[in-house]
Amino acid sequence: NAGVTQTPKFQVLKTGQSMTLQCAQDMNHEYMSWYRQDPGMGLRLIHYSVGAGITDQGEVPNGYNVSRSTTEDFPLRLLSAAPSQTSVYFCASSPKQGWETQYFGPGTRLLVL
Amino acid sequence: ILNVEQSPQSLHVQEGDSTNFTCSFPSSNFYALHWYRWETAKSPEALFVMTLNGDEKKKGRISATLNTKEGYSYLYIKGSQPEDSATYLCAFSSGYSTLTFGKGTMLLVSP
Repeated sequence: NAGVTQTPKFQVLKTGQSMTLQCAQDMNHEYMSWYRQDPGMGLRLIHYSVGAGITDQGEVPNGYNVSRSTTEDFPLRLLSAAPSQTSVYFCASSPKQGWETQYFGPGTRLLVL
Repeated sequence: ILNVEQSPQSLHVQEGDSTNFTCSFPSSNFYALHWYRWETAKSPEALFVMTLNGDEKKKGRISATLNTKEGYSYLYIKGSQPEDSATYLCAFSSGYSTLTFGKGTMLLVSP
């Protein structure tokens, strides 16, 4: 099993550009989520999904969209990148629900100029 | 927004020292408390998930306790080794769907 995979590992964007961060898991997990990690802050939840076709907002959803068309994939879209979105983004999954052990991907480092 | 506090923010110990960290969380609507170990340039890895008041978990030299009535959890490392150097995160859940993470305790163990 590859576990949770994320692409790209590193990305530089210009303000106003859009892009999609990819996340996939091969563990047949129902629950998937996106976090951002900033210096001096804990991991903050952006969006989460409890199954295909179901998504909900976390603590910091503004500027981000998600969809969950399959169990395996949970892409995160930045609609119009801003410097405030410079961060490290982690995708995570768990078997059923958010309270269970989370399995994290390797992270995507995003720089918005 | 739930408040999860971790202390100390950072800690520097010598090899062989035992150490402990604290995680404080809301004592109402408790569902689960997690501890993760996060090494530099890697992703967080789960150590423990605890759901019952009084729970104690152990993995090798690392153990954790849980007090849901007063809203705290302790993580203990016995006989610290340089490879224990990492950031230790706790995360609190008040329901099925989400986890709220603390800012972490950064541990450095010198040989």
